Amino acid sequence: ETGVTQSPTHLIKTRGQQVTLRCSSQSGHNTVSWYQQALGQGPQFIFQYYREEENGRGNFPPRFSGLQFPNYSSELNVNALELDDSALYLCASSPYGTTDTQYFGPGTRLTVL
Amino acid sequence: DAKTTQPTSMDCAEGRAANLPCNHSTISGNEYVYWYRQIHSQGPQYIIHGLKNNETNEMASLIITEDRKSSTLILPHATLRDTAVYYCIVRVLINQAGTALIFGKGTTLSVSS
Repeated sequence: ETGVTQSPTHLIKTRGQQVTLRCSSQSGHNTVSWYQQALGQGPQFIFQYYREEENGRGNFPPRFSGLQFPNYSSELNVNALELDDSALYLCASSPYGTTDTQYFGPGTRLTVL
Repeated sequence: DAKTTQPTSMDCAEGRAANLPCNHSTISGNEYVYWYRQIHSQGPQYIIHGLKNNETNEMASLIITEDRKSSTLILPHATLRDTAVYYCIVRVLINQAGTALIFGKGTTLSVSS
């Protein structure tokens, strides 16, 4: 059974650019959550997707957006990148819906110059 | 904001039990306590969770006080590979349907031989 996978592993962008990060949920998991982890801090909740709709959102501006596809995979899009967006972006999937245990992928390290 | 407080760091000798405390005095009646750990900026690894009763699995034991205002994660026989940042987390409901993990800064556990 394949766990949660994320791509790319590392990414370097310039301020003002746009970026798309991808997440494949663990087999059978239908809920995906995204988190941002700045250096030295704990992860912060961005949003959660269930049945292809945003199911809840943390304190992040609208330039952070996402998608979930019929196969439950997900994308995180960030527009107008800022230097403070440099972080480890983590995806987590849940097997039985929004209230079940979340299992994390390895993350994507984004550096904004 | 995080709903938990943990010591910044702890040390443990290899082979001994590691007891990691956590305070969550504002936890609500239907909110679960989760523990994850993170090694070298990899994705957080799920350890255990509980609501009211003590829990045990192959990795650890979770002791929750009767008033639910604090808990302790116990690693019965710590090894060098248990060196990591341990997060005590309260899982909160969002938009009455989804859930989010609210991370604090965690406890850095150092296991030495």
